[in-house]
Amino acid sequence: ELKVEQNPLFLSMQEGKNYTIYCNYSTTSDRLYWYRQDPGKSLESLFVLLSNGAVKQEGRLMASLDTKARLSTLHITAAVHDLSATYFCAVVRIRASLGMNRDDKIIFGKGTRLHILP
Amino acid sequence: KAGVTQTPRYLIKTRGQQVTLSCSPISGHRSVSWYQQTPGQGLQFLFEYFSETQRNKGNFPGRFSGRQFSNSRSEMNVSTLELGDSALYLCASSLNWDRGNTIYFGEGSWLTVV
Repeated sequence: ELKVEQNPLFLSMQEGKNYTIYCNYSTTSDRLYWYRQDPGKSLESLFVLLSNGAVKQEGRLMASLDTKARLSTLHITAAVHDLSATYFCAVVRIRASLGMNRDDKIIFGKGTRLHILP
Repeated sequence: KAGVTQTPRYLIKTRGQQVTLSCSPISGHRSVSWYQQTPGQGLQFLFEYFSETQRNKGNFPGRFSGRQFSNSRSEMNVSTLELGDSALYLCASSLNWDRGNTIYFGEGSWLTVV
């Protein structure tokens, strides 16, 4: 069974500081997503990581994927208040079978609620 | 271009009733997937459709069903509603989930079962 664990689940930090959110998963996967969700809103796609060693950066956010360690990180550099949100990682489990009806599943972490203090 | 559109945005239903939620994907996207979000269980995958066929399914009871039309629009149906079905239901679309394309989410339908 695929399990996805994010930590920390809650993070309060000062503006200008750096921090990392970790996403560990339990079985083989070759695709990992990071999303942001503001309160009462939908999910905003941040990154899609498709291969081992993949690193993507957008502004103050940088995500990486280590498929051998089954670990992805979301690093925040010089945090600003606007980055306050809940961040989710999601892992796709691909299990090929005959025909069109496969058993791919996408499993989300519980989310990291990030609060950046001005 | 227009994003993923879900209707209705808010609805209240009574236990035992059924509900149908609608989703219009981004133009050109053939993969539509559905998710349930609750405070207790978090985000859970319901199912994914591609070219009118259900390709993938999460671990939900048969009361949860869906379909996709030839124009890629999708509907999700929940029958015999239970209080625990109260949740935010999110629809998402992608060019093709298989290829690792970005999955774009709609604003969601807030369902309250009383």
